Amino acid sequence: SYVLTQPLSVSEAPGQTARISCGGDNLGSKSVHWYQQRPGQAPMLVVYDDSDRPSGITERFSGSKSGNTATLTIMRVEAGDEADYYCQVWDVTSDVVFGGGTKLTVL
Amino acid sequence: QVQLQESGPGLVKPSQTLSLTCTVSGGSISDSGSYWSWIRQLPRKGLEWIGFISHTGYTFYNPSLKSRVGISADTSKSQFSLRLHSVTAADTAVYFCAKENGKTYFFENWGQGTQVTVSS
Repeated sequence: SYVLTQPLSVSEAPGQTARISCGGDNLGSKSVHWYQQRPGQAPMLVVYDDSDRPSGITERFSGSKSGNTATLTIMRVEAGDEADYYCQVWDVTSDVVFGGGTKLTVL
Repeated sequence: QVQLQESGPGLVKPSQTLSLTCTVSGGSISDSGSYWSWIRQLPRKGLEWIGFISHTGYTFYNPSLKSRVGISADTSKSQFSLRLHSVTAADTAVYFCAKENGKTYFFENWGQGTQVTVSS
C-alpha cells in the first residue's frame, strides 16, 4: 500500500518560518493536500492540489513540491498555528492516503 | 458554505453494527460532482478514510474495511449514513463525515466528528 512519510514533530519560534515535509514514492505525479487539526477539532483544509489555498486561509500558508517531497510552509508562525498537520493524496492502488501527521509546536 | 453534522450512538457493543448519520446543510448531496465521505481517527493515531458515496449513489470503500462497510444516502433528508458491521474495540474512534472533491479527492468541508466507543 502507498505510504506518506511525515516527521513526527516540528518546532519553531513565533515569527519564524515552519516547514513540514511529506514524502512518498512518485509523489510528483500526485496532487498533495494539507490539513490543520487543532486539539479537539476536525481537520481543516489549508492547501489543496499541491499549492492552492481555499478561500479564507491566510497567505502565510503555502504548499510546494519537488520530486518525491511536498512541503507545507507556514510563514510568521503564531501561537494559533500550533496543531497537527496532515498531508493526503489519492493513489490508484491505495485510494485515499493520509500521512501520519506532524505536530507543530510554537516555542 | 456547506456544513455537516454527524449523529448516532456513542457506544456500541462488540459484534454489533455501528450506525452514523451525517446531515448536510448549505448544499445538496445531489449536487453534480459531489462526493460524500466518512473518515475516522483512531485513538492517538492518524486519519483513516472509510469510503464515499457520490451524487449518483455510487459507492467506493477502503479495501481494508470493504467487507464490513456500507454507505447510503437519503436525498430527501439531505443525509448520508455509515454502517460498520461486526465491530470490535479496534473500531473505537472519532468518526467524521466530509465533502470530498471529486476531481483530486481532497476533503473541503468536515463535520465536527463524533466519538464512538466499542465496549460491552
